[in-house]
Amino acid sequence: DQQVKQNSPSLSVQEGRISILNCDYTNSMFDYFLWYKKYPAEGPTFLISISSIKDKNEDGRFTVFLNKSAKHLSLHIVPSQPGDSAVYFCAATYEGGNKLTFGTGTQLKVEL
Amino acid sequence: DAGITQSPRHKVTETGTPVTLRCHQTENHRYMYWYRQDPGHGLRLIHYSYGVKDTDKGEVSDGYSVSRSKTEDFLLTLESATSSQTSVYFCAISGTAVQDPQYFGPGTRLLVL
Repeated sequence: DQQVKQNSPSLSVQEGRISILNCDYTNSMFDYFLWYKKYPAEGPTFLISISSIKDKNEDGRFTVFLNKSAKHLSLHIVPSQPGDSAVYFCAATYEGGNKLTFGTGTQLKVEL
Repeated sequence: DAGITQSPRHKVTETGTPVTLRCHQTENHRYMYWYRQDPGHGLRLIHYSYGVKDTDKGEVSDGYSVSRSKTEDFLLTLESATSSQTSVYFCAISGTAVQDPQYFGPGTRLLVL
């Protein structure tokens, strides 16, 4: 029972263009969402988060959009850089819970 | 970077042997977590701790036990290792607020032959 889904295992984008990574969730109790980035042989690192009281959160080149009615969130990276090539995990939790539920990840490759 | 270390970083063991992985933090965070990462499954929670001697199960806890006798250390034990436990294991820590992100250690790569 995958409560957080990342249906695209991989994505390839040209340098300078926009990368859009998608995530869907099924549990209506989730009200806080996070994105993590992972390089090979390293632990995941926190990238950006969003609360369900917002529909957008921006941090530099990274923007996360949340569509609660569709139970969908997306991470936009503009402009994409070769150093952004990594696996991106979407995660969800809820108020009062201290456990994250992760998606299966999307491998982003930014090509020159 | 949050002060989290994991030891060992790599381990090869045989089926049936017990294995203990250690996570050590210098951040004095209350919450500590153990995950495993496998292709096609993402990160799955094994066990977590919300204080010294306070632990609870995650979604894939069978075959694993944990202990936390000090704030800074969280041990994961594979009681009798099986080949299905070959994986990369990550420890994470976080504060108490839901907005506090989890910070991950560098991982332990375990191979069970």
